[in-house]
Amino acid sequence: SQTIHQWPATLVQPVGSPLSLECTVEGTSNPNLYWYRQAAGRGLQLLFYSVGIGQISSEVPQNLSASRPQDRQFILSSKKLLLSDSGFYLCAWSVFLRGAADTQYFGPGTRLTVL
Amino acid sequence: AQTVTQSQPEMSVQEAETVTLSCTYDTSESDYYLFWYKQPPSRQMILVIRQEAYKQQNATENRFSVNFQKAAKSFSLKISDSQLGDAAMYFCAYGLVFGNEKLTFGTGTRLTIIP
Repeated sequence: SQTIHQWPATLVQPVGSPLSLECTVEGTSNPNLYWYRQAAGRGLQLLFYSVGIGQISSEVPQNLSASRPQDRQFILSSKKLLLSDSGFYLCAWSVFLRGAADTQYFGPGTRLTVL
Repeated sequence: AQTVTQSQPEMSVQEAETVTLSCTYDTSESDYYLFWYKQPPSRQMILVIRQEAYKQQNATENRFSVNFQKAAKSFSLKISDSQLGDAAMYFCAYGLVFGNEKLTFGTGTRLTIIP
């Protein structure tokens, strides 16, 4: 069965510091991978998605970047964090089924607080 | 652009009773998926149920069922025999069948179960 891992679970960082959040998927090959952010009391906003190694699409311009160095690894980064980067970050995966992206399944998330 | 609207920020139901959560969406597409996700206090997004727009039959998963009205662009979730573990935020989401980039989420409904 497929599983998705995210770490760290919780992170407190000062403004201006770098960021690296990691997401890995097990039990599937060539998944689509996604990074979402959820602000307090809000729905999810897509940040990045990837259909393959080295292929990253950005949904909105921001202080963040993403990379996919391996098939089942997705990394969210920042060189200098802003206060507005605080939130709950969720990674998700899906696979192509009958030529289309299927259901997205989410990881446990990372709670980021920027002080 | 597709939008998803959940007009009930909060709902409550007596344990063992039935509750219906509302969701409407706006799209010009004909081929899409609709989902209900549950987010308990742990904040991990858990898939509750999924509906493919081309299917006329409403999806069911044990105590969870949907009322999908394609012409009205309505997708409500019915929870029967409510249990304490059903307490969570519930998000309605929309995704294109051939759009691998994102799900569009509503703002969520917080469901409280009264013992």
